[in-house]
Amino acid sequence: AQRVTQPEKLLSVFKGAPVELKCNYSYSGSPELFWYVQYSRQRLQLLLRHISRESIKGFTADLNKGETSFHLKKPFAQEEDSAMYYCALRGWGKFQFGAGTQVVVTP
Amino acid sequence: EADIYQTPRYLVIGTGKKITLECSQTMGHDKMYWYQQDPGMELHLIHYSYGVNSTEKGDLSSESTVSRIRTEHFPLTLESARPSHTSQYLCASSAYQGATEAFFGQGTRLTVV
Repeated sequence: AQRVTQPEKLLSVFKGAPVELKCNYSYSGSPELFWYVQYSRQRLQLLLRHISRESIKGFTADLNKGETSFHLKKPFAQEEDSAMYYCALRGWGKFQFGAGTQVVVTP
Repeated sequence: EADIYQTPRYLVIGTGKKITLECSQTMGHDKMYWYQQDPGMELHLIHYSYGVNSTEKGDLSSESTVSRIRTEHFPLTLESARPSHTSQYLCASSAYQGATEAFFGQGTRLTVV
């Protein structure tokens, strides 16, 4: 069975501080992992995918197969980063989402 | 423009009514999904489809049903709505190859009174 765990429901950080959102997964095969973001009153949208190894809006995420983790990081949080973040795994043709982490960036 | 559309955005309906939530995509995707999400909570997969005439139940048991007669259309039906069905319903689609991430619609917020 595939499972995605996001242990933090809420992260509150100050503007300019680093932020790290944790994501751990369990999957027997080779997973495809994604981070999605949902801003207030907007649809869920892709932030980044592990295959691309890209940085989007200053965010990066590294797949660590040994620790089965895909943590999302940003060195300097901005107020516009306040949103709900979901880690997702694509396996067996389906997408499994974590419970989500609410990020609040205060000035 | 390629997109995924859900209608209605909001629906308030009485108990016992039959409702259909519409989802259409112009992305050219074969795979489509329905998720149920309570505000600020996790997404639960309730139905998915690999293509025309293919439908499967998801991880969360749901009294709703779906159909996939056309590639671009994946409606969800509740034969008799109940207050326990009150939730947000998200439709998504994805491709088999290439960019394989899921694209989401705006969602339908359903309230059964």
